[in-house]
Amino acid sequence: SQQGEEDPQALSIQEGENATMNCSYKTSINNLQWYRQNSGRGLVHLILIRSNEREKHSGRLRVTLDTSKKSSSLLITASRAADTASYFCATDTNQGGKLIFGQGTELSVKP
Amino acid sequence: DAGITQSPRHKVTETGTPVTLRCHQTENHRYMYWYRQDPGHGLRLIHYSYGVKDTDKGEVSDGYSVSRSKTEDFLLTLESATSSQTSVYFCAISPQGTVSGNTIYFGEGSWLTVV
Repeated sequence: SQQGEEDPQALSIQEGENATMNCSYKTSINNLQWYRQNSGRGLVHLILIRSNEREKHSGRLRVTLDTSKKSSSLLITASRAADTASYFCATDTNQGGKLIFGQGTELSVKP
Repeated sequence: DAGITQSPRHKVTETGTPVTLRCHQTENHRYMYWYRQDPGHGLRLIHYSYGVKDTDKGEVSDGYSVSRSKTEDFLLTLESATSSQTSVYFCAISPQGTVSGNTIYFGEGSWLTVV
């Protein structure tokens, strides 16, 4: 079964609005990462948050992690049409250096 | 680009035939991974390698085998392709795996259709 579950599965917003995506997982983790995938392309790493961190920022991205609730959120502020993509959370559970991905959130930002 | 080349990028094959997908990296990274991506399932790990001749199973390894005889190459073989193996296959690499916080870098994918 999937370790990470994203919510919502699809999100449609207007340019300039904020987009929030959530990820829940089942077992304890070393770190949680967010990736982005443009249509027809491979995934690209966005940001990593370690299990002892609660919040992290990178440009217009803000990630939070709540290990007690086993959940994370990714906030994209002031979204742009170019942010249209699928976003995936991935967890490292200290089982051999591999990441387990969730099913993704499909974000559509309308100009 | 992360220095990852997948081949072939697109393939149509018949049920029951063997298929091999190749992943070649120029980064000399220790870890290599094969994922498959399907609608409704996201990415699922098939097999991964943590060194030459060192491989392990992922979540969905049945029907797949892998080999890594050189650092730069990781081969995924479908011994007898089935329609359920129609998917997009992604190779990924990582310097030292993800426990220490390394990210992984993805190739551009191989689209496989089994008819």
